[in-house]
Amino acid sequence: GDSVTQMEGPVTLSEEAFLTINCTYTATGYPSLFWYVQYPGEGLQLLLKATKADDKGSNKGFEATYRKETTSFHLEKGSVQVSDSAVYFCALIPATNAGKSTFGDGTTLTVKP
Amino acid sequence: DGGITQSPKYLFRKEGQNVTLSCEQNLNHDAMYWYRQDPGQGLRLIYYSQIVNDFQKGDIAEGYSVSREKKESFPLTVTSAQKNPTAFYLCASSIGQGARTYEQYFGPGTRLTVT
Repeated sequence: GDSVTQMEGPVTLSEEAFLTINCTYTATGYPSLFWYVQYPGEGLQLLLKATKADDKGSNKGFEATYRKETTSFHLEKGSVQVSDSAVYFCALIPATNAGKSTFGDGTTLTVKP
Repeated sequence: DGGITQSPKYLFRKEGQNVTLSCEQNLNHDAMYWYRQDPGQGLRLIYYSQIVNDFQKGDIAEGYSVSREKKESFPLTVTSAQKNPTAFYLCASSIGQGARTYEQYFGPGTRLTVT
């Protein structure tokens, strides 16, 4: 079946550091790929998405590129802020049967001033 | 404002009781979903519905039941058959068939504690 693997956390960075959170997936065909962010006690918010190979999703300084050859969708940000502290989830929705989405286990990011 | 509401935010029940979690959306989305989130873990799909009066089991449907009588509403009942019901429950919705990306929009969640 489909699966999403994220780098294990937690990740702790200083403000203005460069962020990478790795995400790789296993799925047939060409799934759609997503990054969500969850702040404490809240639901998930869509951060960015990509629907086909080589697409780059971007939002609020975060970026991720859909790499079919490496089945990856790594999240990056050039300069993190304290307000970026949250849990980040990588997810995929398969090309068929859109209801069956799969999420990674989440990576907790803490940014220190 | 369009969005998804879940109520209540915190819910406490005694073991052996059924409990129903509410989920309402005014986004005119066709599809709705229920997930369970345990501490330090990702989301696991309980049930989903792509149209009114139809729903499918997700990966962990045992001990749960749903209904979809209206497009806007997708309540989840946690029955006494669910062995470990204490968790954070998230409802989500998305636009339906014909749209490629199907990104999901989430409610704020309900934290259920069963003792």
